[in-house]
Amino acid sequence: GAVVSQHPSWVICKSGTSVKIECRSLDFQATTMFWYRQFPKQSLMLMATSNEGSKATYEQGVEKDKFLINHASLTLSTLTVTSAHPEDSSFYICSARPNSGANVLTFGAGSRLTVL
Amino acid sequence: EDQVTQSPEALRLQEGESSSLNCSYTVSGLRGLFWYRQDPGKGPEFLFTLYSAGEEKEKERLKATLTKKESFLHITAPKPEDSATYLCAVQASGTSYGKLTFGQGTILTVHP
Repeated sequence: GAVVSQHPSWVICKSGTSVKIECRSLDFQATTMFWYRQFPKQSLMLMATSNEGSKATYEQGVEKDKFLINHASLTLSTLTVTSAHPEDSSFYICSARPNSGANVLTFGAGSRLTVL
Repeated sequence: EDQVTQSPEALRLQEGESSSLNCSYTVSGLRGLFWYRQDPGKGPEFLFTLYSAGEEKEKERLKATLTKKESFLHITAPKPEDSATYLCAVQASGTSYGKLTFGQGTILTVHP
């Protein structure tokens, strides 16, 4: 089945630094990948859509200059949280749907970011 | 605006005690309704996709049903390993395939 891998699974950083999270589709190609965020005891919220070879599209209220997304290939998307602050601490989860296949969004295991 | 409301927020069952989780939704046009299971500190794991009212799908002890306003996830004779948060999400027509609107989830605990 489709597998999505995220790295790192958890990261702690100091306020003001930048953190990069990788999302890879291991056994399929995905022109589009999706980044979600989940705060404690809240549901998942779509942040942005990552498009291979073009700019990401961001949901309303998500700062594109703070959350930089790069979709370098059909199997890799990265999310960089720039100048992180404690309020950016959250669980970031990427997802992807195979270019060819069922209408199923496969999620990665998530990356827990803690900003001190 | 698409909305998904799940109930109850938390459900405690004894092993073998069957029950149902509810997902009520409002969406401009439903392309698909999804059920996921999420374990603590993990990403959601896909369970089912339902597309039209009257549709039902089963997997082991789980059965999902769909009406025009809600979906139910029936759990028959649950086991402790079924303990998890169950998430319901809708995908609206005319939107990106990756844009799912999620409910808050139901935390299921099954005691041995």
